[in-house]
Amino acid sequence: DAGVIQSPRHEVTEMGQEVTLRCKPISGHDYLFWYRQTMMRGLELLIYFNNNVPIDDSGMPEDRFSAKMPNASFSTLKIQPSEPRDSAVYFCASSFIAGPGNTIYFGEGSWLTVV
Amino acid sequence: DAKTTQPNSMESNEEEPVHLPCNHSTISGTDYIHWYRQLPSQGPEYVIHGLTSNVNNRMASLAIAEDRKSSTLILHRATLRDAAVYYCTYGGGYQKVTFGTGTKLQVIP
Repeated sequence: DAGVIQSPRHEVTEMGQEVTLRCKPISGHDYLFWYRQTMMRGLELLIYFNNNVPIDDSGMPEDRFSAKMPNASFSTLKIQPSEPRDSAVYFCASSFIAGPGNTIYFGEGSWLTVV
Repeated sequence: DAKTTQPNSMESNEEEPVHLPCNHSTISGTDYIHWYRQLPSQGPEYVIHGLTSNVNNRMASLAIAEDRKSSTLILHRATLRDAAVYYCTYGGGYQKVTFGTGTKLQVIP
């Protein structure tokens, strides 16, 4: 069974450019999460969706960040314009609500460097 | 958000048991306790979860205090591959899942 698939795995971009990170959750999962991880702030929840609907975006740092989930098998996290402080590892994760609690399955992450 | 307290770091000798503690005093009665670990340069991965009773799986054991305000992840025989950051968290149902700073486990050969 394929896990959560993220792309790109690594991206280096210049300040001011638009960055789009992509995620394919595990088939059948109805929750999708975007996390950001940095040395300073650890693992932060940015936004999560339930059945393609954004439920809580209170972790999104500012208006430069946006996330969409047009269907059950695809989500994007967009940063426009990007800044050096956005450099981090971005994880997508998914879970199945009917399972016990919220066991979350993470992708391998998208390593973003903004120069 | 889940509020957990874990030691920043721990050390263990290889082949010895490791007990990783976590306090979660604000847990509610229906919240499951989950443990995840993050190996270097990888995403967090699920380790084990439980509600009230102690749990065992092929990776680890989970001991839950009777009042559920704390739990302990037990690795029965630490290996070098167990060196990781271990996170405990709790939640269930429709709650969002947040992570604390975790415990960095160093395994000494």
